[in-house]
Amino acid sequence: GAVVSQHPSWVICKSGTSVKIECRSLDFQATTMFWYRQFPKQSLMLMATSNEGSKATYEQGVEKDKFLINHASLTLSTLTVTSAHPEDSSFYICSAPEVMAPNEQFFGPGTRLTVL
Amino acid sequence: QKEVEQDPGPLSVPEGAIVSLNCTYSNSAFQYFMWYRQYSRKGPELLMYTYSSGNKEDGRFTAQVDKSSKYISLFIRDSQPSDSATYLCAMNRGTSYDKVIFGPGTSLSVIP
Repeated sequence: GAVVSQHPSWVICKSGTSVKIECRSLDFQATTMFWYRQFPKQSLMLMATSNEGSKATYEQGVEKDKFLINHASLTLSTLTVTSAHPEDSSFYICSAPEVMAPNEQFFGPGTRLTVL
Repeated sequence: QKEVEQDPGPLSVPEGAIVSLNCTYSNSAFQYFMWYRQYSRKGPELLMYTYSSGNKEDGRFTAQVDKSSKYISLFIRDSQPSDSATYLCAMNRGTSYDKVIFGPGTSLSVIP
């Protein structure tokens, strides 16, 4: 199957700083990528849909100005958590459907963010 | 009512048992149904997917979809300790690049 990578795999930062998380499709092109957040022992909650060359679509209740998404190329989407606070500590996971199989979503390994 | 409901468990079974995992959903527009397995601190891994109603078998895993009841199941035969993980059902409308809605997940432990 297709491979999606994320970087970094974990990050610890101070409250008030910004953190950038990268999501890359390694062996396929992804015009669309999805960003999820997962709190401990909870399911994945979709945050936003990232579209190459256009603005991201955010789910209700997700602050656009706090979670900045950029889909700069067909293989890279970035999520920037701006002015992070301890309540933003979570597991952030991206996924990408392959162009030839748009219903099959391949997930990255996730990024664990801890805000002190 | 949540769009997708799933018993969170935890579910503990002896090695070799048959495991039944289930989800119910409320949106009749859902056509594409998936099961993901997630190990602790890892991203989800797609196990199986089915389109519309019916059964699908892959090795020890069988997925069933009953759209009339809005009910889907995953059966695991001859369960192994390595099957211990959280199992997430997921679904969408089946259109290209449609967002996927996940159930809350069931935690499974297979005891040797």
